[in-house]
Amino acid sequence: EVQLVESGGVVVQPGGSLRLSCAASGFIFDNYAMHWVRQAPGKGLEWVSLITWDGGFIYYADSVKGRFTISRDNGKNSLYLQMNSLRTEDTALYYCAGSTTWTYHFDYWGQGTLVTVSS
Amino acid sequence: QSALTQPRSVSGSPGQSVTISCTGTSSDVGGYNYVSWYQQHPGKAPKLMIYDVNERPSGVPYRFSGSKSGNTASLTISGLQAEDEADYYCCSYAGSHTSYVFGTGTKVTVL
Repeated sequence: EVQLVESGGVVVQPGGSLRLSCAASGFIFDNYAMHWVRQAPGKGLEWVSLITWDGGFIYYADSVKGRFTISRDNGKNSLYLQMNSLRTEDTALYYCAGSTTWTYHFDYWGQGTLVTVSS
Repeated sequence: QSALTQPRSVSGSPGQSVTISCTGTSSDVGGYNYVSWYQQHPGKAPKLMIYDVNERPSGVPYRFSGSKSGNTASLTISGLQAEDEADYYCCSYAGSHTSYVFGTGTKVTVL
């Protein structure tokens, strides 16, 4: 059974930092590009970042560029998101999602971890 | 990159068909055949329903279908069922710089 389990979401003050993790199981992790997608409370989905299977290509949404860093450890079947200089508008449920290499959709999704940026 | 435009809500009676539109630009929907659709029930993670405009993943009912014309993609649910009541989001690849853009989301109500 495919599982993506996010963790690391907490309440943090504006300007603070946080590292999210996503543990993958049930599929061949290094055959998949991985993404972070977020959803603000009561709002729609917003793509955040992508890392290819080998980390060779990385992309970010303009809203997080320069503040967030995506990374992965294929030996640990894990995906990460380092979030710096957090803003109140970063408050959201953060999902990790997987895409088969060279496809352009999200096959698998985790249940999300909630990040709240508030003073 | 602006979100793709979807109607806020659509509704239909059981057995009827509903269609959700997803309007973008030539830089996203119109430029690539990489439109996907996701179903999201309250408190749940999104689920892939359609990919590459009109392909259905294994396990998704045949009543879900997708299409595209120009800068507008569409999801049609034929033979609407109670369990189809959910939020639906389209998503398009938008090139290596922008990567992906989601739609604004549509709430489907089964009357």
